[in-house]
Amino acid sequence: EAGVVQSPRYKIIEKKQPVAFWCNPISGHNTLYWYRQNLGQGPELLIRYENEEAVDDSQLPKDRFSAERLKGVDSTLKIQPAELGDSAVYLCASSLIVDEQFFGPGTRLTVL
Amino acid sequence: RKEVEQDPGPFNVPEGATVAFNCTYSNSASQSFFWYRQDCRKEPKLLMSVYSSGNEDGRFTAQLNRASQYISLLIRDSKLSDSATYLCAVNRAARNTPLVFGKGTRLSVIA
Repeated sequence: EAGVVQSPRYKIIEKKQPVAFWCNPISGHNTLYWYRQNLGQGPELLIRYENEEAVDDSQLPKDRFSAERLKGVDSTLKIQPAELGDSAVYLCASSLIVDEQFFGPGTRLTVL
Repeated sequence: RKEVEQDPGPFNVPEGATVAFNCTYSNSASQSFFWYRQDCRKEPKLLMSVYSSGNEDGRFTAQLNRASQYISLLIRDSKLSDSATYLCAVNRAARNTPLVFGKGTRLSVIA
């Protein structure tokens, strides 16, 4: 069974530039999560989708971050404009059974 | 008090040793508990769910202590390949609420 797919794996941009990350969850998983993980920290939830509905986005910095999950499958996370502090690994996860989440390989973002 | 706290380690143990990690959580309403393993520069991978009755998978044993609000992970007969960061995750309250992750405990198993 294919796992969660994310792209790109690495991204280096200059501050104030936009950036977008893409995630394809495990087939059949209706819940999708975006996390941010800083070095030496655990993943922190940014947004959670149930199908195409965002059910928890309280931690998403809405001034610069946006996300969408059209058709309830793939999802994109966008940052515009990026700031130095946004450098982190952005992880996508999906789940079928409530709470048992499976992570993708992540996108390592470096903002210069 | 942080929602989920772990001793960051590192724990440096010789091969064959038994090592245990604890993870405390602050919300007594939490219902779901997990241990994840994360290798360097890799994504977290689900290691075990933690049930009220405790559960065992080979050399790994997970336990839940609701009264003291902590979960534990015991690794017996440590292997070099067990070297990784172990993250605990706890949901905020009722089921179907987001997981909160600890910072992780780093384990190094030494030959």
